[in-house]
Formats: sequence, structure tokens, C-alpha cells
Amino acid sequence: AQSVSQHNHHVILSEAASLELGCNYSYGGTVNLFWYVQYPGQHLQLLLKYFSGDPLVKGIKGFEAEFIKSKFSFNLRKPSVQWSDTAEYFCAVYNTDKLIFGTGTRLQVFP
Amino acid sequence: GAVVSQHPSWVICKSGTSVKIECRSLDFQATTMFWYRQFPKQSLMLMATSNEGSKATYEQGVEKDKFLINHASLTLSTLTVTSAHPEDSSFYICSAGDWNIGTDTQYFGPGTRLTVL
Repeated sequence: AQSVSQHNHHVILSEAASLELGCNYSYGGTVNLFWYVQYPGQHLQLLLKYFSGDPLVKGIKGFEAEFIKSKFSFNLRKPSVQWSDTAEYFCAVYNTDKLIFGTGTRLQVFP
Repeated sequence: GAVVSQHPSWVICKSGTSVKIECRSLDFQATTMFWYRQFPKQSLMLMATSNEGSKATYEQGVEKDKFLINHASLTLSTLTVTSAHPEDSSFYICSAGDWNIGTDTQYFGPGTRLTVL
């Protein structure tokens, strides 16, 4: 069965620090990859997605992610985080008509 | 665009009663809607895929007779938790795929927090 792993369960950073959240998936075929963000008390929002083409994907709010097929990875990055980035981040893979989510990474950014 | 709403946002019920949760796509047509369950500090677990005009497809381990799904129109799907028990307390989230774009990009509702006493 397909699975998505997010190894960082809880990340604490100071403002302006760089961020990288890991995401690995188990499926070897063609996949569509997503990062979603859930701000406190809000619904899931799409940050970015990769379907094909340039493996470096730019998303909203300064986030980007790089698809590395050989490593089955789709890590999320941001060069300088802000307090407002405090949220839960979910990596997901779409295959066979459904989204499979990772366990999520809770990011806390302190001023 | 691409807004999905859920109603109610929060419900408390007694054990043994049934609760209906609505999921609506407000500005697009959704032939497919998805129902997820999220436990505290955990990820979203897909419960079922709801297709307009046909029976829902349930994930393994999800009781279809307990979680009744109806997708009567292109903008509305409902999840009814029948004979709810405290272990059904959870956060239920729906999502919808835009018919024009495809279901691989889903738009999520704000969720419904169910507490069964």
C-alpha cells in the first residue's frame, strides 16, 4: 500500500530561520504530490502541487518544494519563516483517485 | 473561487442518536466529494469517496451502514453518522474536486467537530 512519511513531527523555529520539512512517499509510479497547510482553527489550504515538469515547484506565501524522484521525496522549503507560518503542514500523494496524507508536521515559529 | 462549506461546524449529540453533516461546493460543481476523519494531532484518514448519483466507495475498515453518504447533487454531499457513540467523536472534513479541473486537486471544507456524549 502507498504511504507518505513526514519525519518531522514538530518543528520549532525563530522568525527568519530557514525551513525544510521532509516528505517521502512509497509509490514508484507516476504520482501527483501536494503540500497542504492548516492554520490554527482553519481548513486545509493548498500550498503547492507537483504533477509534472520542473521538479522545483513554487507555491504561495514563499514556499517551494522539490520533487526528487530517485529519493521518492518532495520536501517543502522556505528560506525565511514568519510567525504567521505557524501551522500544521501535510504532505499528500494522489494516486488511484484518492489523496493519501502524511501524518503532518506541526511548525511553531517564535518572534 | 473553489469554496467548500460544511454544516454544522460543531455538533454535540447523545449516544445512540444520528447526526447529519452537509458538505457543499459553493461555486463549482463537484462530481466527486471525499469524506475524511481527523483525530487530534493526527493526519486525515479517507473514509469514503462520494460520487454524484451513485453509491459511495468506502475505505477498508469504514462501516458503510454506520457512516451513510448521500451525494444527491453536484454541489451537495451528506454524511450521516448513525447511532453515534463516543468513539465516533472526531473532526470530520469533506473535500471536493472541481469537475472541470479534476479530482486530483481537492478543496477542503472547514470541518465539523462531532462530540458524542
